[in-house]
Formats: sequence, C-alpha cells, structure tokens
Amino acid sequence: GDSVTQMEGPVTLSEEAFLTINCTYTATGYPSLFWYVQYPGEGLQLLLKATKADDKGSNKGFEATYRKETTSFHLEKGSVQVSDSAVYFCALREGTGNQFYFGTGTSLTVIP
Amino acid sequence: GAGVSQSPRYKVAKRGQDVALRCDPISGHVSLFWYQQALGQGPEFLTYFQNEAQLDKSGLPSDRFFAERPEGSVSTLKIQRTQQEDSAVYLCASSLLWGPGEQFFGPGTRLTVL
Repeated sequence: GDSVTQMEGPVTLSEEAFLTINCTYTATGYPSLFWYVQYPGEGLQLLLKATKADDKGSNKGFEATYRKETTSFHLEKGSVQVSDSAVYFCALREGTGNQFYFGTGTSLTVIP
Repeated sequence: GAGVSQSPRYKVAKRGQDVALRCDPISGHVSLFWYQQALGQGPEFLTYFQNEAQLDKSGLPSDRFFAERPEGSVSTLKIQRTQQEDSAVYLCASSLLWGPGEQFFGPGTRLTVL
C-alpha cells in the first residue's frame, strides 16, 4: 500500500543554518506529493506541493523536488529562521484519490 | 475568510462514554475529511464526504466510530463507548472540489479517554 517515510526528529538548528528533511514514499501509481507544516497551536497548512516527476514545489524559501527515480521528496531551505520552528509532514495522494497518506512528522526547532 | 473550525478543542471522557466532535468546514467546500492523529504520528485517514454523501469510510477503526454530514456542511464524528486507545487528536479538513484539491485543516480536537 501507499506510505510515506520521513526523517525522524527532533531537529534543532541555529538560525541561518541549512535545512534538509528527508522524505521517501511508496506508491502503486503516480502520486502527488506535499509538505504540510503545523505551527504550535495551529492546524496543518499546505507548504508546497508537486504533482508529477521532476516538478519542484517552493514556498517561503522552502523547496522540494519530486524525484521518481529515488521515490523522494526532500524538503530544503537555505537559511532557516526562528519562525520556521514547527512540525513538518510529508504526504502523498495517489492519483485523483481523496485520501492523503502522511509521514510521522519532523519537529524542527530553530534557535537564535 | 474563516477557516475550518472544530469544537470542542479539548475533550476528556471517561472510558465507556460517548463523544461527539464537530467540524465546520469552509463555506462552500464540497469535500470534507476526518483524520485521527495519535501522539507522535502523522494524521491517518478516517472518512470522506462529498456534500452529504459519505463516499469512503474505510479508515474508521471500528463500528464504534460514526460520522455524518446531513446537510452537506457541518459534520459530526461520533465515538461510542470510548476506549483509551481512542485518545488522539481528531482533525477535520475540507476542500473546494471533489477529488483532488488542496485540503484545509482545522486545529483539531484533542480527545483524552481516561
């Protein structure tokens, strides 16, 4: 079945450090891939998405590239800020299906 | 505009009690989803509505779980005879269209069963 595996946390970085959160997936078809972010006390928010191989999603300085050959969708940011402290979830949706499959989440804390 | 709202935000129940969790989706959103998020885990799909029709309930863990959306807007997730393993955050999400489309999540209801 479909599933997502993402890097376990917690991750602690200093401000302006480079961030990578790894995400790999298993899917039977051609999924769309997503990164969601959950700030403390808030609901999940879509951060970025990619709907087909080699697409790059980007938002707020974050990027992720849909790599079919490695079944990966790693999240990166060149210079993190304290305000990026949150839990990040990688997710996939199979084709035009309704169901999202989420990873377990990676907690990021950025210290000044 | 208003986002997805859920109530109550926190619920404590004694084992064996029934609970009802409410979701108010974004106005006009056709699709509505319920997810269960256990501590330290990602959300897991429970059920999906398109308007008032429950099209997929494959994720409901037992027949103690029941969801409805009678008028195609507000939805209620009911859990009968709660058990300790039901303790989790229950998330509701809505999207404008059927099928594919961004899902907008509510803040969740944290259920604790004692």
